[in-house]
Amino acid sequence: SQQGEEDPQALSIQEGENATMNCSYKTSINNLQWYRQNSGRGLVHLILIRSNEREKHSGRLRVTLDTSKKSSSLLITASRAADTASYFCATDNPDSWGKLQFGAGTQVVVTP
Amino acid sequence: DTGVSQNPRHKITKRGQNVTFRCDPISEHNRLYWYRQTLGQGPEFLTYFQNEAQLEKSRLLSDRFSAERPKGSFSTLEIQRTEQGDSAMYLCASSLGETGLSYEQYFGPGTRLTVT
Repeated sequence: SQQGEEDPQALSIQEGENATMNCSYKTSINNLQWYRQNSGRGLVHLILIRSNEREKHSGRLRVTLDTSKKSSSLLITASRAADTASYFCATDNPDSWGKLQFGAGTQVVVTP
Repeated sequence: DTGVSQNPRHKITKRGQNVTFRCDPISEHNRLYWYRQTLGQGPEFLTYFQNEAQLEKSRLLSDRFSAERPKGSFSTLEIQRTEQGDSAMYLCASSLGETGLSYEQYFGPGTRLTVT
């Protein structure tokens, strides 16, 4: 079974707009990671946020983590057509360090 | 290119045949993972190795599946007596790893298996 659930399932925005997607999970975690997957390509790691961190930035990406609500959000600012992809959250749990449990993903389409 | 590589990229086989996939991780990574991904879903964990030791196997990994990582370098995933339900993208990833810590995983391009 999958640990994380992304919301929304799909998101369509125009270039320059911000995109926000959320991830909820069920059990305690060591860390939560966000990955991007372009059509027909492999997964690319975006950000890892540890359970004792609340916010992390990387370029145009901002990730928050609320362990009390068991949720995380990924914000992409000033989106570009190249950001069109599926975005997955994945959790790493205390009972199995390193084994990632992925959600079903959010499909993001950025139109010029 | 020093990323994770997988071979073959595509495999079409008939039901009942055996198939073997290979993964070459990033050389300094001691952990190697196998996942399976079907259309519209996120990857599902299958198994992982720390060096040459297989530390965990998912319940998804029936006894028709076997994985090895001899000498702690490349890994192979074999599926015996393939079934149509085995059709999926098989992803390999590698990472650094130590007891009590985990790191980001780097994924290969995957092997797409089609069982006819």
